[in-house]
Amino acid sequence: DTAVSQTPKYLVTQMGNDKSIKCEQNLGHDTMYWYKQDSKKFLKIMFSYNNKELIINETVPNRFSPKSPDKAHLNLHINSLELGDSAVYFCASSQDATAVAFFGQGTRLTVV
Amino acid sequence: GNSVTQMEGPVTLSEEAFLTINCTYTATGYPSLFWYVQYPGEGLQLLLKATKADDKGSNKGFEATYRKETTSFHLEKGSVQVSDSAVYFCALRRGGNKLTFGTGTQLKVEL
Repeated sequence: DTAVSQTPKYLVTQMGNDKSIKCEQNLGHDTMYWYKQDSKKFLKIMFSYNNKELIINETVPNRFSPKSPDKAHLNLHINSLELGDSAVYFCASSQDATAVAFFGQGTRLTVV
Repeated sequence: GNSVTQMEGPVTLSEEAFLTINCTYTATGYPSLFWYVQYPGEGLQLLLKATKADDKGSNKGFEATYRKETTSFHLEKGSVQVSDSAVYFCALRRGGNKLTFGTGTQLKVEL
């Protein structure tokens, strides 16, 4: 019954690989997000989608490509992984732009 | 641009002590303000929010009052418990739909 669920929870991969993180929300929300939390716990938004359309794209390398196949899903694909990509990635959703955001449990990505 | 400044941690308290975690913000107009909590190994959970000046958000014994004159949203709890040990994030939302977070404050509560 998890509201916002991400898979996998942990991901360890080598530099140069391509990986995806999946996110699904069962709240019927229109807006979904990806946030990155670095090793110092600092959280910063990466992307925001509203009804499958990209709304926010912060200064994120092109290697990161979000994909929203439908309103309930927002997946994050990362090409050519680098050591600096190691972080915890959080998916979130909200009913609309002004509503409270609900977060998933996070995906801890470790690039070795 | 918008920004949130939180007191640096870690904050270490004994059980039943009074807690204050300072948060100040910079934003134009009237942002909505939030406190999120991240328990060890878990995602972020909304703790409380306030959407206009002088509003007080409260939940689980925690409170924060939206002070426009001092651009602050300090988090307080009268008596902390070991189970309150977590990282607390102050955040704002002003226009658009992205949250701007502070750097987080780690709270450790000891017996």
